[in-house]
Amino acid sequence: ELKVEQNPLFLSMQEGKNYTIYCNYSTTSDRLYWYRQDPGKSLESLFVLLSNGAVKQEGRLMASLDTKARLSTLHITAAVHDLSATYFCAGRDSNYQLIWGAGTKLIIKP
Amino acid sequence: GAGVSQSPRYKVAKRGQDVALRCDPISGHVSLFWYQQALGQGPEFLTYFQNEAQLDKSGLPSDRFFAERPEGSVSTLKIQRTQQEDSAVYLCASSLAGYQPQHFGDGTRLSIL
Repeated sequence: ELKVEQNPLFLSMQEGKNYTIYCNYSTTSDRLYWYRQDPGKSLESLFVLLSNGAVKQEGRLMASLDTKARLSTLHITAAVHDLSATYFCAGRDSNYQLIWGAGTKLIIKP
Repeated sequence: GAGVSQSPRYKVAKRGQDVALRCDPISGHVSLFWYQQALGQGPEFLTYFQNEAQLDKSGLPSDRFFAERPEGSVSTLKIQRTQQEDSAVYLCASSLAGYQPQHFGDGTRLSIL
């Protein structure tokens, strides 16, 4: 049974700093997703990572996948206030279900 | 462009009432998913459709929950005899295929009094 754990669950940081959110998963998942959710809003797809060593970047966000370590990371570079949101990772199990982490609430202070 | 549309956005019901939540997926999307999201938590899978076929309903918490997608497009999630623990945000998502990124609606916030 696939389980997904994120850490930290809460992160408060200053603008301009770098930080990393970690996503560990328990069994094989053929792909790893990252989503963003603003308060009261829908989930927005950020990245889909398919293979070991995959790295994807969009603006100040970069996601990577290490399938051997069963670890994905979401790295934030030179954070800006607009990136404040809750970030979720999710793995896909053999039944097509997405299994979600609990989310990392990110607050970026000016 | 049209995204996934859910209605109503908010629903308040008294315990014991039946409710129906609607999801209108992106046109042409074969796969449709329903999730339940409690406050401060990640979504929990409820059920999955491929076209009109309900391929997986293992996440439905009880037989009070029922979902349908009769013509392979719009889907309805019905909850009978609602209980307070049913209070949550119900999210619908659609994708071109089961493995493609899922596009989410804004959700229906259900409150059971």
